[in-house]
Amino acid sequence: DTGVSQDPRHKITKRGQNVTFRCDPISEHNRLYWYRQTLGQGPEFLTYFQNEAQLEKSRLLSDRFSAERPKGSFSTLEIQRTEQGDSAMYLCASSFQGEGVEAFFGQGTRLTVV
Amino acid sequence: DQQVKQNSPSLSVQEGRISILNCDYTNSMFDYFLWYKKYPAEGPTFLISISSIKDKNEDGRFTVFLNKSAKHLSLHIVPSQPGDSAVYFCAASGGLYGGSQGNLIFGKGTKLSVKP
Repeated sequence: DTGVSQDPRHKITKRGQNVTFRCDPISEHNRLYWYRQTLGQGPEFLTYFQNEAQLEKSRLLSDRFSAERPKGSFSTLEIQRTEQGDSAMYLCASSFQGEGVEAFFGQGTRLTVV
Repeated sequence: DQQVKQNSPSLSVQEGRISILNCDYTNSMFDYFLWYKKYPAEGPTFLISISSIKDKNEDGRFTVFLNKSAKHLSLHIVPSQPGDSAVYFCAASGGLYGGSQGNLIFGKGTKLSVKP
């Protein structure tokens, strides 16, 4: 399977704990995006990387959120001191610059903060 | 303020008939538009796109129409099939010819139900 892969698929955590999600993009894609989706809403942009450089961050991305893509391949999204409002589906997508802006999404990580 | 709006939360269509999903946008800097389909517990799947230099793009049963003066686009599915039942998201980007190249702005989605 050469699609976007996300791990874990589901995560339940207690409020105040830290969580980390991983995303493996399509191998030839140099752009990687993180989105968040809550019930009844469309995906909301969080941040994106071109190769290893983080080029854009949304105002939604509070100081408790940090994303990395150290070698320009996989990426991690960490949420520190989780809050109940962080409960959402976290989606990763990738694309190749120069071929339109179509982004291809993974299946997402469902986070539940209790 | 929502920049991409899908005003119909749901749509029900009979199998074999046409499904028309609508989307409006407010930002004239958007130059590329996309439709995604999403099944429950899965990520969105890219369906079809259109750049602002075109007014129509067709791919099999799916056609997207763009009316720039009205800032409106629509997705036509014909004939509709029960397997098309899903949530459809409209998305826009200012990234093809300028502006932010980083992200897509999504609408809230329209749930399509195709009844046999």
